[in-house]
Amino acid sequence: GAGVSQSPSNKVTEKGKDVELRCDPISGHTALYWYRQSLGQGLEFLIYFQGNSAPDKSGLPSDRFSAERTGGSVSTLTIQRTQQEDSAVYLCASSLQGAGYEQYFGPGTRLTVT
Amino acid sequence: DQQVKQNSPSLSVQEGRISILNCDYTNSMFDYFLWYKKYPAEGPTFLISISSIKDKNEDGRFTVFLNKSAKHLSLHIVPSQPGDSAVYFCAAIGWGGSQGNLIFGKGTKLSVKP
Repeated sequence: GAGVSQSPSNKVTEKGKDVELRCDPISGHTALYWYRQSLGQGLEFLIYFQGNSAPDKSGLPSDRFSAERTGGSVSTLTIQRTQQEDSAVYLCASSLQGAGYEQYFGPGTRLTVT
Repeated sequence: DQQVKQNSPSLSVQEGRISILNCDYTNSMFDYFLWYKKYPAEGPTFLISISSIKDKNEDGRFTVFLNKSAKHLSLHIVPSQPGDSAVYFCAAIGWGGSQGNLIFGKGTKLSVKP
């Protein structure tokens, strides 16, 4: 079956511009996660959606970062006024339920801020 | 402060031998642990997991050992194959709260030489 998909696969943007990254989770998965991996670092949690509950935004690094999940499916991560330190691979994952169930990752979006 | 630590950034092993990847954690609330494998330009893929009520879980060539008193887990791959060459991430999660996200280590790059 179809896995988690993300678009675009690569994004190069100028410092100060806004970007939107999209994630299509596996159909039927109620939980959706955003992580990022900076160069030489592990995966850093950003935000977590579970069903209709309020999202856990505790990992968002600044108020320039926001995410939405419409209709319990597709999610968009928005970074406003991008900075060079935002350059990373942004990974989306989904799971059948939250809190511990195996998470299935998309291929990621490589963001480069010049 | 890192809650999940993989102190070896890289490991090189001969084909057919055993690969042992180590992971330490600091948070005693963690009670479910996962290993993910990541190839370049792909998202992480789930490999194997273990609950804190067990000390060993085996799946084919992959075995995960958990030592709760030492807050240490390890992944054994035997026999190692060149296709196992990838970055391996250890991840942890706690059931105690509403935390749904995984806490990842920085990864260990495994190279299996033919």
